[in-house]
Amino acid sequence: QVQLVQSGPEVKRPGASVKVSCKASGYTFSDYYVNWVRQAPGQGPVWLGWISPKNGNTKYAQNFQGRAAMTADTSTTTAYMELRSLMFDDTALYFCARGLRWLDPWGQGTLVTVSS
Amino acid sequence: QSVLTQPASVSGSPGQSITISCTGASSDVNSYKSISWYQQHPGKAPKVIIFDVSDRPSGVSTRFSGSKSGNTASLTISGVQPEDEATYYCISYTSSSTVVFGGGTKLTVL
Repeated sequence: QVQLVQSGPEVKRPGASVKVSCKASGYTFSDYYVNWVRQAPGQGPVWLGWISPKNGNTKYAQNFQGRAAMTADTSTTTAYMELRSLMFDDTALYFCARGLRWLDPWGQGTLVTVSS
Repeated sequence: QSVLTQPASVSGSPGQSITISCTGASSDVNSYKSISWYQQHPGKAPKVIIFDVSDRPSGVSTRFSGSKSGNTASLTISGVQPEDEATYYCISYTSSSTVVFGGGTKLTVL
């Protein structure tokens, strides 16, 4: 079945970077965009951006332009999202999700905690 | 701040119908390429229940339906059930190739 499996939880210091992975299976990886979304505790989801694994094209939300970097490795069918210069309010559950006009399925989420 | 506005909460008794709205600024929703709706239970990833305004994925209950009028999209749950208690989000894929979320609506089944 179509599935996205994400990497495990991370704890980072302010100013550090984090890289979250999203392993896709059950479909042709290069045929679908991969989006990244985060959800802070008790808050609604926020879209970070998408990547096209076929050609590496990306689109970032304005608030994350320059701080987020999305990549995709078609040989391992894995998408990555790196967030730099972490701040306390980057603490959130980070999701990957397949698609563009609608997002399905979603990964299970990766908890990133920024703590000193 | 969400570009798409949803009511913070709605409630209904089992068997009642409820509607959740999703309004874009001015004609934003009209210009959006697609509206989809998601159900999220606590601690879980969101799950798509409506895509392309009114289409339902295989396996999603026919009690869920979607529509759009002007700059407002709507999700209707006909005959709400206790298991429908969750938070619902609308999402739009815009003409500028970005994705925008509504703020979410918490459904309480009384």
